[in-house]
Amino acid sequence: RKEVEQDPGPFNVPEGATVAFNCTYSNSASQSFFWYRQDCRKEPKLLMSVYSSGNEDGRFTAQLNRASQYISLLIRDSKLSDSATYLCVVNSGNSGAGSYQLTFGKGTKLSVIP
Amino acid sequence: NAGVTQTPKFQVLKTGQSMTLQCAQDMNHEYMSWYRQDPGMGLRLIHYSVGAGITDQGEVPNGYNVSRSTTEDFPLRLLSAAPSQTSVYFCASSYGVGVTEAFFGQGTRLTVV
Repeated sequence: RKEVEQDPGPFNVPEGATVAFNCTYSNSASQSFFWYRQDCRKEPKLLMSVYSSGNEDGRFTAQLNRASQYISLLIRDSKLSDSATYLCVVNSGNSGAGSYQLTFGKGTKLSVIP
Repeated sequence: NAGVTQTPKFQVLKTGQSMTLQCAQDMNHEYMSWYRQDPGMGLRLIHYSVGAGITDQGEVPNGYNVSRSTTEDFPLRLLSAAPSQTSVYFCASSYGVGVTEAFFGQGTRLTVV
């Protein structure tokens, strides 16, 4: 089983739609969770961290379910500028100095259509 | 702030050639890492460093060497380029180890022919 799994998409949605991305992770010891955004031919950039209580940043809402090892990202009122690949990222949480590494999902591609 | 700077942005190598991808950050981050990104594979960790003088292997280290003589610089060396190393390479740095935001360079697109 892959450490971090995402639906690759693509998700093609009209402007104004609500879209949800899901992600599962296999390492129950994982401690930190993130969503990154990657535009075509660009570097990944942090979109938001994901906290156990869930968190919201404008149109974006992230949820974490530790029991199910599941992370989600909800985008409301989609904009054309939201078109990108969204990467689910998990801190591996292994013990020992230097062993905390980020594991990336393969990403979910979103295209917002006019 | 320049953030994380990678050079070169593009490179074509012949099989068997060696080269060094440069990475520098000006944020005084202790943690630096190198990833490669291939279609359908996501980002995979090659090597990482938790501070000057300390490096360790990631998921796909074969064919690559790294060194960390200063906090700012973390070069990646390809020893003998192979077509399988054709990829996009990203350098990243962060203040903490895995629990804080990672800042990425703009990437190096490498083609090995």
